[in-house]
Parts: sequence; structure tokens; C-alpha cells
Amino acid sequence: AQTVTQSQPEMSVQEAETVTLSCTYDTSESDYYLFWYKQPPSRQMILVIRQEAYKQQNATENRFSVNFQKAAKSFSLKISDSQLGDAAMYFCAYRSTYSGTYKYIFGTGTRLKVLA
Amino acid sequence: DAGVIQSPRHEVTEMGQEVTLRCKPISGHNSLFWYRQTMMRGLELLIYFNNNVPIDDSGMPEDRFSAKMPNASFSTLKIQPSEPRDSAVYFCASNAQGAGGIYEQYFGPGTRLTVT
Repeated sequence: AQTVTQSQPEMSVQEAETVTLSCTYDTSESDYYLFWYKQPPSRQMILVIRQEAYKQQNATENRFSVNFQKAAKSFSLKISDSQLGDAAMYFCAYRSTYSGTYKYIFGTGTRLKVLA
Repeated sequence: DAGVIQSPRHEVTEMGQEVTLRCKPISGHNSLFWYRQTMMRGLELLIYFNNNVPIDDSGMPEDRFSAKMPNASFSTLKIQPSEPRDSAVYFCASNAQGAGGIYEQYFGPGTRLTVT
């Protein structure tokens, strides 16, 4: 069974600085999707970025980028120029691409604090 | 698009009462997921449907919980009888499965349930 591990329960970053959130996963599959979701105090789960395993190029979305290391089964999120609005819980998630498999596996989350 | 709609947003009820949570997925999405989030257990998948059919309900904690999806645009999660330990935030999420499908899940705003 697949697992997703976020080993940092909490992280802090100064406003305008860069921070990296870690995520590792375990799977025997070769093709899958990986996601980062953000959950601000409003509780709304918001998709930040996604990565297809078959793509070698790391995904980027504005100030958010990932470092996808398939062999190491690592999928970290880098937030550049951190803003106060980035303060939230961040969840890493895995989804198989195998037909008939619909489940998403979520990590336990990392709480990010942004210091003014 | 209005996104995933959940109602009510907040529910306070007494132990032993029946609680019904409702979800309307994004139009065109054919998979629907119910999650429960607590501080102690994090984000737990309770059940998910594909094309209105329950695929995996192994996360449903006990027989007091039941879920239905009578059509593509509506699902309910019912707890009867409710207990204080059911207090949590319940999320509904949807996505489009299949060829060309959108594999990221879109979450509703959640229902905060408090059972006294």
C-alpha cells in the first residue's frame, strides 16, 4: 500500500524568504500523480500544485515550485518570496493512475507560519 | 462554476440525534469523496463513489455512518445516532475520473459538526 510522509509538523519562515516543505512517499507503481494542497484558517482545501510522475520537469506555479525526485520518492514544495497569506497547513497527496484506483493518500500535514 | 457545495456549514446537535450532511459535486465530475478531519486523526477518507456507485467504504468508522449518492449531483452522509466523538470537520470532494479526466480533487468548504 502507498504511504505519504510529511516529517515536519511545523515550519516557520520570515516574510519574503524562501521555505521548503518536505514530503516522501512509498509506492511500487511507476506512474502516479502527486499534489500539494493548502488549508488556510478558513479550512478550505486549495490545490497548490500537481506533478505527473512521468514528467521529469518540475512543476511550477508562480511562487510555488516542486523538487520531484522520483528515484528517492521525494516531492518537496518550495515557496519563494513568502507572504503572510501563505500561512496555512500544507498537505502532500498521492494518487495512483491505475484504472479502477481512485483513492488519494494524504500526508499528515505541515503547518507553515509566516513571520512578519 | 460554483465549486463543490456543502451544507450545512455548521451543525450543532445533541448526542443521539440524527445528522445529515449534504454535498453537491462540481458538474461533470464523476467521483465523489467524503473525508473527516480532526486534530487527533488528521484527514481520513470515509467513502468514495464513482459514477454514483460506492467503491470503497472501508473508512466508514461504524454502522452509525452511512452515505448515499442517488444521482450525479447529490450525496449525503448520515450519522445516526450521533456521538460526541463524531465532532469533526467533514469535507466532500469531487473530481473527474477517466481518460482526460482531471485528477486533482476539488474540495468543498466543509461542515463543522459539533455533537454535545
